[in-house]
Amino acid sequence: QVQLVESGGGLVKPGGSLRLSCAASGFTFSDYYMNWIRQTPGKGLEWVAYINSNGGTIYYADSVKGRFTISRDNAKNSLYLQMTSLRAEDTAVYYCARDWRYGSGSYSPWGQGTLVTVSS
Amino acid sequence: QSALTQPASVSGSPGQSITISCTGTSSDVGGYNYVSWYQQHPGKAPKLMIYDVSTRPSGISNRFSGSKSVNTASLTISGLQAEDEADYYCSSYSSRSTHYIFGTGTTVTVL
Repeated sequence: QVQLVESGGGLVKPGGSLRLSCAASGFTFSDYYMNWIRQTPGKGLEWVAYINSNGGTIYYADSVKGRFTISRDNAKNSLYLQMTSLRAEDTAVYYCARDWRYGSGSYSPWGQGTLVTVSS
Repeated sequence: QSALTQPASVSGSPGQSITISCTGTSSDVGGYNYVSWYQQHPGKAPKLMIYDVSTRPSGISNRFSGSKSVNTASLTISGLQAEDEADYYCSSYSSRSTHYIFGTGTTVTVL
């Protein structure tokens, strides 16, 4: 079945870096646009980054622009999020999510999420 | 970014119908037919229930329906069931932020 599995979360100090991974299975990964979306108890859901099927088009939320880098390896059916200069406000559960219908802002499925905690 | 406004909680008895509102502006909900709704059970990932305002993905019960009027989108759950107890989030494209924003979330309680 279609599945997304995130990994790489953990505890990191402010200013530190972390790389999240998302392994895709059950569908032709290279055909789909992908996203990272995060969720915090205080701010709710926030779209973070988008990458098209070949990696040629990328968008970021203003809150992470210049600090986060989204990438993909279609040969490995994997999506990545390199996070640098991490701040306390980046603490969240990070989900990878597949575009359901391009251009509609609909996402399905989502992975189970990986928790990133930024704290000294 | 500004979140779309949803009621914090909505409740109903089994078999009843409830409606969750999602209020935005002409720069998001009112300006585009790109409203989606997600269901999230505790400790689980969000699940797409409605996209493009009123379209259900395959496999989603027809008890869930979506609509929009001016700057407010709505999700209606008819024939409420215990399994519908969850958090629900709306989302929409926003021309102000040039990406998609989410609602504040609504907790549905089945009495």
